[in-house]
Amino acid sequence: AQRVTQPEKLLSVFKGAPVELKCNYSYSGSPELFWYVQYSRQRLQLLLRHISRESIKGFTADLNKGETSFHLKKPFAQEEDSAMYYCALRSGAGSYQLTFGKGTKLSVIP
Amino acid sequence: DAGVIQSPRHEVTEMGQEVTLRCKPISGHNSLFWYRQTMMRGLELLIYFNNNVPIDDSGMPEDRFSAKMPNASFSTLKIQPSEPRDSAVYFCASRRTGDEQFFGPGTRLTVL
Repeated sequence: AQRVTQPEKLLSVFKGAPVELKCNYSYSGSPELFWYVQYSRQRLQLLLRHISRESIKGFTADLNKGETSFHLKKPFAQEEDSAMYYCALRSGAGSYQLTFGKGTKLSVIP
Repeated sequence: DAGVIQSPRHEVTEMGQEVTLRCKPISGHNSLFWYRQTMMRGLELLIYFNNNVPIDDSGMPEDRFSAKMPNASFSTLKIQPSEPRDSAVYFCASRRTGDEQFFGPGTRLTVL
């Protein structure tokens, strides 16, 4: 069975400080990993996916298969980054199911 | 495109009443998902449709929950009878096969 763990329910950082949102997964095959973001009173939206290897809004995430992790990082937090962040796993391109972590609420203190 | 559309955005009802949530997926998308979001359990998949056919309903909590997709542009999630523990935000999402999922704004359901 696949599982996604986000160990922190709440993460508070000061503006300008580095941010790291942790995500660990459990899956025996080669998964696809995603980060979704939900700003206050807005819909859930895709932030980035590991296969794209891109930086969105200054965020990056590297898939570490050895540690089964997909941590989300940003060197300098902005107030507008305050939101709920969900890590999600899909078991492969042909799979339909996304398994979500329980989310981490990021609060950036001005 | 307006994206995935859900209605109503908020629903307050009393225990025992029937609740119907509605979703219009993005045109051209062939997969539709219903999720439930709670503080305790996070985001859970309830049911998945592909080409209007229910493929996986293993996440539907119990017989009080039912979902239909009569055509490619409309789906409903019904709870009958509703209970206070059904209070949650219900999201609908759609996608084209192999592409990312696009989420609707959600329906916040409160059962008193």
